[in-house]
Amino acid sequence: ETGVTQSPTHLIKTRGQQVTLRCSSQSGHNTVSWYQQALGQGPQFIFQYYREEENGRGNFPPRFSGLQFPNYSSELNVNALELDDSALYLCASSWGRDGSTDTQYFGPGTRLTVL
Amino acid sequence: KQEVTQIPAALSVPEGENLVLNCSFTDSAIYNLQWFRQDPGKGLTSLLLIQSSQREQTSGRLNASLDKSSGRSTLYIAASQPGDSATYLCAVRTSGSRLTFGEGTQLTVNP
Repeated sequence: ETGVTQSPTHLIKTRGQQVTLRCSSQSGHNTVSWYQQALGQGPQFIFQYYREEENGRGNFPPRFSGLQFPNYSSELNVNALELDDSALYLCASSWGRDGSTDTQYFGPGTRLTVL
Repeated sequence: KQEVTQIPAALSVPEGENLVLNCSFTDSAIYNLQWFRQDPGKGLTSLLLIQSSQREQTSGRLNASLDKSSGRSTLYIAASQPGDSATYLCAVRTSGSRLTFGEGTQLTVNP
C-alpha cells in the first residue's frame, strides 16, 4: 500500500505567475482534500474533491482551483500568485464522501515560495 | 464558525516527564477529533482519531480524551522522549468535508 505523495517538494515562483501542484492519493482512496499552511499556523482547508467533483470549499478566492482525475490523483492550481500564497500546501486522502468516521492521510507537502 | 484553540503554544520539558496538551473548540457538533504530529517542514502524521461518540483513544504512550459537551480534548504523553519533539495539531471535523485545525503546540523534550 503506497502513501500519499506530492510533487514537487519545493517551488519558487514570482508574483503574478501560475502554479500547479500535484497529489497522488493513497491506494483505495477516492477523496482528496487540499490545505494551505502558512508558517507557524495550522492548516487551512482549501477544497475537497470526491470522485472528480468538488465537495466543499473553504474561504479561498476563485484563483485557487483544482481537479481530480479518474485515478483519484489531484491537482491544485493557483493563478496570479501573491506574496501571501507562500506556504506549505498539503494534500490529504481518505475514503468516503462525508468523512464522518475516516482518518485523513496527509502527504509530505509542497513548499511554495512566491517572490 | 468553528474555531479551534490549542494551549500552550509551546512547551519545553525534560525527558521522562508526563505531559498534557490541550485543545478546545467552539462548536460541539463534531463528527470526530484528530490529533496529528508534524515535524519541521514536513507533512502531518495522524496519531489518534476519536469519534464523537467516544471518550478516549489510546496508542502506546499516547492517550487522547474528548469531552464534546464542553468542547475540549487533551492529549496525554507518558514518559516523554526527545523523539517526541514536534508540533502537535488538533483538528475537528464538523458537517461537510473539512478539518478545522488549531495552531498547534510546539513540544521540545530535552535529553
